[in-house]
Amino acid sequence: LAKTTQPISMDSYEGQEVNITCSHNNIATNDYITWYQQFPSQGPRFIIQGYKTKVTNEVASLFIPADRKSSTLSLPRVSLSDTAVYYCLVENQGGKLIFGQGTELSVKP
Amino acid sequence: SQTIHQWPATLVQPVGSPLSLECTVEGTSNPNLYWYRQAAGRGLQLLFYSVGIGQISSEVPQNLSASRPQDRQFILSSKKLLLSDSGFYLCAWISLGLYNEQFFGPGTRLTVL
Repeated sequence: LAKTTQPISMDSYEGQEVNITCSHNNIATNDYITWYQQFPSQGPRFIIQGYKTKVTNEVASLFIPADRKSSTLSLPRVSLSDTAVYYCLVENQGGKLIFGQGTELSVKP
Repeated sequence: SQTIHQWPATLVQPVGSPLSLECTVEGTSNPNLYWYRQAAGRGLQLLFYSVGIGQISSEVPQNLSASRPQDRQFILSSKKLLLSDSGFYLCAWISLGLYNEQFFGPGTRLTVL
């Protein structure tokens, strides 16, 4: 399984755009890249998933370069409620899913 | 719609006592099921996953075990709890489709004293 590496923590201010980058150097051809958000005492929640190029939904955008060895989750105009831990996963067909340590995002007023 | 249940929500157990946590899923069939543990508020550790009845893959050698007696039931057990078993236990299933999205239950907060 491809291992992922993310920054341990990030700080931001309300209204800013936040970009969290994840490295996955040994991603396999069939692997997808998925991002989850977790609030304290809750299970993670799916944010976005992509295979290549750019994916956008109502919550975030996911940028994946051509070599797919990294990905960037972009959160537009964050608010205090976006303070959470964000996890990047690389997975294939829903078998063994390994979460890394995640990135703890703190949004300040 | 699909729903995932876990119980109990919180549990306080003495060291050496047994454990049984139950997870059930509604609204889907033959789901891939997962048990995770989260200690100290960060990092989900995959404990077990199952792709079908009676099929359990163990990820971390420990004093825990898992069973899947029915298609939508996943049980986490221990014969003797250790202090290090304290944590937040999460059950999850995955929807394989346009997006491979994993859905998590509400979790069980276990404190071993």
